[in-house]
Amino acid sequence: DAGVTQSPTHLIKTRGQQVTLRCSPKSGHDTVSWYQQALGQGPQFIFQYYEEEERQRGNFPDRFSGHQFPNYSSELNVNALLLGDSALYLCASSTWTGRGYGYTFGSGTRLTVV
Amino acid sequence: GEDVEQSLFLSVREGDSSVINCTYTDSSSTYLYWYKQEPGAGLQLLTYIFSNMDMKQDQRLTVLLNKKDKHLSLRIADTQTGDSAIYFCAETPGYSSASKIIFGSGTRLSIRP
Repeated sequence: DAGVTQSPTHLIKTRGQQVTLRCSPKSGHDTVSWYQQALGQGPQFIFQYYEEEERQRGNFPDRFSGHQFPNYSSELNVNALLLGDSALYLCASSTWTGRGYGYTFGSGTRLTVV
Repeated sequence: GEDVEQSLFLSVREGDSSVINCTYTDSSSTYLYWYKQEPGAGLQLLTYIFSNMDMKQDQRLTVLLNKKDKHLSLRIADTQTGDSAIYFCAETPGYSSASKIIFGSGTRLSIRP
């Protein structure tokens, strides 16, 4: 059973460019959350998608946007990239188990902005 | 507010017990987690505890929760070199575990021979 799949694994972009990161959730999961992990920090919540809608959002600017597709996969888009956007971007999928939500994290996409 | 604090580094001798401590601020947290992250990897859920519990044991791992002091700890018995990693304490604030996870900055555990 495949877990959470993220692509690409690594990416280098130039300041001002736009980037799209992709996430396929674990089979049976319907909720996708995105996190940004800067070097030496814990992951920070960006937003969460459920039923193709943004359900919650963290303290990130509008340059960060997302989408969820009918098959539950998701994209994270970042416009007008800044050097400070360099980080590991983690996708987590989850679903209600009847005893709580079980989260599964992907291995992440490492984005470097130069 | 929502905040999770943990010490940055811990060094233990191989075979000893490791204890990683964490404090959190949201008294309404329902789930508290410990995640492990190895170099270049994503996050691996080690264990979690529901807020109405005060202890959970799973093989070499023991989680203790002091809800009054908002203190969570992870004890790893018989620490091995494979336990070298960064350990993140985390919580889901509020009464729904569908909500975001708030992570601490991580404790880097290193093992001495």
